[in-house]
Amino acid sequence: DIQMTQSPSSLSASVGDRVTITCQASQDISNYLNWYQQKPGKAPKLLIYDASNLETGVPSRFSGSGSGTDFTFTISSLQPEDIATYYCQQYDNLPQWTFGGGTKVEIK
Amino acid sequence: EVQLVESGGGLVKPGGSLRLSCAASGFTFSSYSMNWVRQAPGKGLEWVSSISSSSSYIYYADSVKGRFTISRDNAKNSLYLQMNSLRAEDTAVYYCARDLQYGTTADYWGQGTLVTVSS
Repeated sequence: DIQMTQSPSSLSASVGDRVTITCQASQDISNYLNWYQQKPGKAPKLLIYDASNLETGVPSRFSGSGSGTDFTFTISSLQPEDIATYYCQQYDNLPQWTFGGGTKVEIK
Repeated sequence: EVQLVESGGGLVKPGGSLRLSCAASGFTFSSYSMNWVRQAPGKGLEWVSSISSSSSYIYYADSVKGRFTISRDNAKNSLYLQMNSLRAEDTAVYYCARDLQYGTTADYWGQGTLVTVSS
């Protein structure tokens, strides 16, 4: 099974800060990685697919990069509405998906 | 507008059964694979099961294999999850999610339904 290690598990940043989350796969998954945002009490929302493609309607301050085993998710300028938990998800070993443990983002 | 609405959650005793439903609207349901993903209280996301558009391909996580059955009725635009032999560790919010393409990505999610397994 492919394991996804996400870090940090939580972070606190100020409005306007650049925020970076990393996700490491236990084996090469090419670019088969998505990023989701989950606000408290809500369902997850797709932000980035195929490692770096921005889902339609998602603000451009969100971005993703990486391939192979190491991936990065960035919020270029943190906004109050970005308070949420972010998850990476791999789909290399279809049909099973594996999610990272999540990163809780808070405002300092 | 794509909408997915889950129902059927509730409190059930260990060993009991429950059937979840997901009503889809706003898209051609019969053209998309669908998934169930769950989230235990305060925990992360766990993929549970997937079903292809015509029900030809069905897959389960090892943690539910042999106990859960996914199905769909394209005429009724509905997805189902029959859960038998429920355990305390099955307690979670269960989300249905539409697959964007080829079983890779959940592009729309329902609001979830809570299943609590407790005596």
